[in-house]
Formats: sequence, structure tokens, C-alpha cells
Amino acid sequence: GENVEQHPSTLSVQEGDSAVIKCTYSDSASNYFPWYKQELGKRPQLIIDIRSNVGEKKDQRIAVTLNKTAKHFSLHITETQPEDSAVYFCAATLGGGTSYGKLTFGQGTILTVHP
Amino acid sequence: DAGVIQSPRHEVTEMGQEVTLRCKPISGHDYLFWYRQTMMRGLELLIYFNNNVPIDDSGMPEDRFSAKMPNASFSTLKIQPSEPRDSAVYFCASSLGGGIDQPQHFGDGTRLSIL
Repeated sequence: GENVEQHPSTLSVQEGDSAVIKCTYSDSASNYFPWYKQELGKRPQLIIDIRSNVGEKKDQRIAVTLNKTAKHFSLHITETQPEDSAVYFCAATLGGGTSYGKLTFGQGTILTVHP
Repeated sequence: DAGVIQSPRHEVTEMGQEVTLRCKPISGHDYLFWYRQTMMRGLELLIYFNNNVPIDDSGMPEDRFSAKMPNASFSTLKIQPSEPRDSAVYFCASSLGGGIDQPQHFGDGTRLSIL
């Protein structure tokens, strides 16, 4: 099955700096890659996603890049703010057939933004 | 929309007791997912349903775990008998099928403690 590795496990930055979280996946057939943010004691919430036919997607301060050849994708957060502090999860899925919706999550990155 | 609703929010029970977790998906969503989250294993998919039919239960850890979806607006995850190692946060999520990039919406989770 799919395996998703996420790095780093913890990331500490100063307010205003950029943060980058990287994930690799094993199944070359995976074609949908969402990112979730989970605040302490809360539910995971989708913040951005990308499909395999797209190399980059941006939404205000958040961007995701995908390299299908290398089977890795990254989350970029610019101008970080203290409220960005949370656990971030990447995920991958085969978007069709019997495997639809079967998200495999990375282990998570604890991001701390210091004011 | 009220989002995905889970109950109870917290459950503390003794080893050997039966535990039933409940989930109401977002109205109109045809996929429902049960996840378990622990520090050691991260977010794991246990089972998911499409149109009330279980599609993949390969993530269910043991025969002590069972899940049902008697109708489009209700699902249960049952553990019988419960063990301390079942202690975790259990999330339910739902999505609207039909495309590979339909996001999964998570409920607030049930924090389960088995003593």
C-alpha cells in the first residue's frame, strides 16, 4: 500500500519567517495530495490540496508544490504568524477505483511560530 | 451546515466494557470514514463506507472492532471488549464523492480512554 513520509517532525520559526514541510510518497499512482492543519485538541482541517496534473498551487500565504518524478510534495507557508502554530499533516490517495478516498497520512509536523 | 457530528466527545470506561462511538455525516455526503489518532501511530484509516456499504475495512485492528452504517445519516464504531491500548482519539469524516479532489470533512472526534 501507500506509504507517506513527512519531515521534519518539529519545526520552529520566528514570526514573519517562511516554513517548509516536505513529504514523499511511495505509490506512483497516487494523484491527490491534501494538507491538513490540526490545532491542539481540534479536528484536522483541510488547508490546501493539489492534484497530480498540477505542479504548484497557491492560496494567499500557503503554497504546495508537487514533483511527480521524485514523488514528493511540499507545503510552503510565508510570513508565518503565531496562529499558524499547529500540527500539519500531508496525505496522499489514489483518486479513483476501489481506492478512492483512502488517504494515507504522514506522521505530522509540529510547527511553532514564535512572536 | 452543522458539519460532521460525533458523540460522545469524551468517553472513559473500564477495560472489558463495550464502547460505541457515533457519527452523523454532512447531509448529502456519500462517503464516510473512521480514523484513529494516537501519538505513536498518527492518523490511521480504520474503515470507510460508500453509500452505506463498507468498502475497505483493512485498517480495522482486530475482530473486537466493528462498524456499521444503517443509513446515510448515521454510523457507529463499536469496540467489544475494549482494552487500554484502544485509548485514542477517534475521528469520523465525510466527503462528497464523484471527484478525486473532494475534501474530507472531519468531526470533532471522540477522545476515548480505557482504564
